[in-house]
Amino acid sequence: LAKTTQPISMDSYEGQEVNITCSHNNIATNDYITWYQQFPSQGPRFIIQGYKTKVTNEVASLFIPADRKSSTLSLPRVSLSDTAVYYCLVGEENYGGSQGNLIFGKGTKLSVKP
Amino acid sequence: EAGVAQSPRYKIIEKRQSVAFWCNPISGHATLYWYQQILGQGPKLLIQFQNNGVVDDSQLPKDRFSAERLKGVDSTLKIQPAKLEDSAVYLCASSSRAGGTKNIQYFGAGTRLSVL
Repeated sequence: LAKTTQPISMDSYEGQEVNITCSHNNIATNDYITWYQQFPSQGPRFIIQGYKTKVTNEVASLFIPADRKSSTLSLPRVSLSDTAVYYCLVGEENYGGSQGNLIFGKGTKLSVKP
Repeated sequence: EAGVAQSPRYKIIEKRQSVAFWCNPISGHATLYWYQQILGQGPKLLIQFQNNGVVDDSQLPKDRFSAERLKGVDSTLKIQPAKLEDSAVYLCASSSRAGGTKNIQYFGAGTRLSVL
């Protein structure tokens, strides 16, 4: 069973801010939240990772409330090239053993229109 | 820095035939993953290596799938014999613990397998 729940699809227009929320009610203390982006015919690409509060990099922001049961990926001023599938993953930082609980769900298909 | 290399990019075989995929991870990455991605679904982890040892193969159909990572670098994934339901994209990824990256995975472009 996937540990996360995301909307199946979202539509937006160029220049808008897009927020994709992921629910992970059973997140464990050692779990990190990681978002990946996947274009057709390519492998997923890392976007951002966080544990709590807010993380920002050059392409996105990640907002995580205090209870960590959800997270929101924020893409500022999207363009047509941001049309892709976005995956939210929750998994352990386990340096010695299995990461078998890093599970990709179906992701959120974002369509950006002109 | 070179990314994860996979070959071939495409493969078409008939059911009951054998097929092998190759992956070369990013230099220095100790952890290597093979995923299966069926059209319209997210990637499903098949097997995870730490150096040349298997740390998770719980979702690998071991009656027909096998994988190895000799010398802890390159890896091959084999299917023998293939079934129609094995048609999918096979993704290889690698990760490193260095720099506090929390095992962020870097993916190759994948091999698209069609079983007829």
